[in-house]
Formats: sequence, structure tokens, C-alpha cells
Amino acid sequence: GAVVSQHPSRVICKSGTSVKIECRSLDFQATTMFWYRQFPKQSLMLMATSNEGSKATYEQGVEKDKFLINHASLTLSTLTVTSAHPEDSSFYICSAKRQVEQFFGPGTRLTVL
Amino acid sequence: ILNVEQSPQSLHVQEGDSTNFTCSFPSSNFYALHWYRWETAKSPEALFVMTLNGDEKKKGRISATLNTKEGYSYLYIKGSQPEDSATYLCASPSNFGNEKLTFGTGTRLTIIP
Repeated sequence: GAVVSQHPSRVICKSGTSVKIECRSLDFQATTMFWYRQFPKQSLMLMATSNEGSKATYEQGVEKDKFLINHASLTLSTLTVTSAHPEDSSFYICSAKRQVEQFFGPGTRLTVL
Repeated sequence: ILNVEQSPQSLHVQEGDSTNFTCSFPSSNFYALHWYRWETAKSPEALFVMTLNGDEKKKGRISATLNTKEGYSYLYIKGSQPEDSATYLCASPSNFGNEKLTFGTGTRLTIIP
């Protein structure tokens, strides 16, 4: 149990477009999901905490208007990178909390041209 | 923001040999220590969640110990196999409830057949 999927696994987009990434808990319900970002040779950095039915909580330095998070159900959270620019190119990965553990999706590689 | 460090950054081990690596974290305000195993193109797999000083956990050939007083955890792999090749991440939460994980940069383990 505790499987988390993420879609798409890879996306290439033009500068100025928006990209939506989905994170789903497949076999459990998750009130809380998390979005992380990883730049090359760096650790996973928490971007925001997504809570079902309420607004996401963003970490310091993360623009909430640029990284829109929606957690409309207990099994789905979405991250939309709005007006993407090359500096947003990164690896984005989500996790879903179950009890004291976090279970991760496989991540999304975003490349903005 | 916690300072979680892992060493070494990378490691090459002959198949059949045993190995270990380290995660260090602040010993003050400690809540828990998570270990993950992350194979390329897959989701990070939760290995252990450790909370008590002196904890020792085991999963097959992999085990981990925890010293909260001095702020470190060791991960041991006995009789390494090629399938153990992965990046091993540790993470610690900055608050009670195991949310907001701060990750180390990982130890990349390569098993040489």
C-alpha cells in the first residue's frame, strides 16, 4: 500500500506558458500533501504544504501566485507553474502524508525553453 | 531551517561487501529521522522512521541506528547486492507531527558486480 503517482513525468514547455502537475494517492486518503523541488546536486526543498479543502502553506521565498496549489480531494493535489520561465526548470516531486510517514511520487522533470 | 548532512556524497562498493553511511542533524529539538531509498526514475521508498535515542531498525539486509544526543544516524547494508544501488536520503522534520521534512543531499551508492 501507500502508492503515490505523479503526472506527467516529464514536460517541456515554452516560456510564458503554464504547466499543471498532478499528484495522486492511489490507495489511501491524504489530508496533507507536500510539494518539493530539487535543483541539480541539491537536496529536496519543501515548497509548500497542501491541505485538502483549505489554502496551501508556502515556504519562505516561494511565490504563491506563481506556484498555484489546489487540493480539492483527499487523493489529488495539483501544482500549476504559471507563466513558466527557464529558471523554473527543475525536478518537482510530491508526497502524501499517512500517519507519521510521507510517501512520494516519482517526480516531474520540467524544462522551460 | 534544519541542517541535515549526509556523508559520503557517493560510494562504490564491491558486491558482497558491507557498507554504511552517515546522516547528521541538530540534536536539539529533535522529533524524528526518516531514511529513504531512491532509485533512478522511481519514487523514493520509505525505509525507516526513527524517533528514540538508541533506536535500531532492520529491513532485510538494511539496518539503521539513531543517536539523538550526538545528532547522527547510520545506515548499514550487509552483503551489498547490485539492486542496492540507489541514492539514500535522510530527512528530519522541523516540527512535531512529522511535517516539513528537511532533506540531506543523499549518498549515492553504486554496487560493483
